[in-house]
Amino acid sequence: GENVEQHPSTLSVQEGDSAVIKCTYSDSASNYFPWYKQELGKGPQLIIDIRSNVGEKKDQRIAVTLNKTAKHFSLHITETQPEDSAVYFCAVFMDSNYQLIWGAGTKLIIKP
Amino acid sequence: SAVISQKPSRDICQRGTSLTIQCQVDSQVTMMFWYRQQPGQSLTLIATANQGSEATYESGFVIDKFPISRPNLTFSTLTVSNMSPEDSSIYLCSVVRTANYGYTFGSGTRLTVV
Repeated sequence: GENVEQHPSTLSVQEGDSAVIKCTYSDSASNYFPWYKQELGKGPQLIIDIRSNVGEKKDQRIAVTLNKTAKHFSLHITETQPEDSAVYFCAVFMDSNYQLIWGAGTKLIIKP
Repeated sequence: SAVISQKPSRDICQRGTSLTIQCQVDSQVTMMFWYRQQPGQSLTLIATANQGSEATYESGFVIDKFPISRPNLTFSTLTVSNMSPEDSSIYLCSVVRTANYGYTFGSGTRLTVV
């Protein structure tokens, strides 16, 4: 079955710097890759997603890149701000049963 | 995207008792899921709640421990039965719009069993 690995588990960056989180997956047939942000005491919220027919998608300070050949996708956050501090999860969507296979999560800490 | 109301938001329960968590969606959705998230960890799928039929459970989860009801396309409940401290966790319901794969989550129920 599908397996998703996410790195790093914790990332600490200076406010204003960029943060990059990477995920790799195993099933080459996968074609939808969302990223979720989870703040303390809340459920995960979709922040950006990408489908297999594009290599990059951007939304203001957030971007996602996808390399289908290498089977990895990455979340890029530029000009980080204190409110970016949260846990970020990557996921891979399974067409067969509409389920998400989740990465282990990355705790992002923005240092003032 | 769908709006989900999940209740209760938190509870502290005695071991051996049961808690029922409710999930109400503001529109009809085909797919509804229940997850467990242990502190500091990723999400683990408990089951898919099927409208009008028995839920489909993932490995390691059984109906006697986590009975699920889904009487219509906007509502579901998850019961955590005969609780022990190991059941202390966050429980989340989620829905997905099959047209665009869009997943939405409830705010979660933080359960502590003492």
